[in-house]
Amino acid sequence: KQEVTQIPAALSVPEGENLVLNCSFTDSAIYNLQWFRQDPGKGLTSLLLIQSSQREQTSGRLNASLDKSSGRSTLYIAASQPGDSATYLCAVTPDSNYQLIWGAGTKLIIKP
Amino acid sequence: DTEVTQTPKHLVMGMTNKKSLKCEQHMGHRAMYWYKQKAKKPPELMFVYSYEKLSINESVPSRFSPECPNSSLLNLHLHALQPEDSALYLCASQAHLAGGETQYFGPGTRLLVL
Repeated sequence: KQEVTQIPAALSVPEGENLVLNCSFTDSAIYNLQWFRQDPGKGLTSLLLIQSSQREQTSGRLNASLDKSSGRSTLYIAASQPGDSATYLCAVTPDSNYQLIWGAGTKLIIKP
Repeated sequence: DTEVTQTPKHLVMGMTNKKSLKCEQHMGHRAMYWYKQKAKKPPELMFVYSYEKLSINESVPSRFSPECPNSSLLNLHLHALQPEDSALYLCASQAHLAGGETQYFGPGTRLLVL
């Protein structure tokens, strides 16, 4: 059974720092992996989607990598800003049924 | 337009009430989802519709009744809910069920059952 883990559960860093969020999964048979952002009490916004054949995706200050063999993905945020404060969730789509399997999320706080 | 809209934003209902949540998208997506999310937890899948037909029902109690009247609209009918059903209800859409594209989420309906 696929399990997705995100460490740390919470992270607080000063504004301007570069940071890395981690996501690990137990079964490498995935279709893709996505990173989402969720602001308190709001819906989820898709940040990056990495297909299983890809190694990384970039969007602005965000870069996500995927290493299927080790079951790991990282989300790199460059030059963090207070507006980046949110909960970041990763989710994998297994090959078997195309339903998202979610991590518990990392709550990120960027201090001005 | 990559927007999924949900109404109402907030809903308070008693355990004997009947209410409905509405979700709409105009992206031409043929897969639509209902999720339930409790505080500080990831979303839990409830229902999936593909081409207006119920494809997946994740053993959700019958007090939740989904409906997909057309390709743009998804409803969730609520009846005789319990206080533990209080949560954020999220709707999402995707181009196709097994296409591997991203899911687009609405802002959610915050439901409180008294």
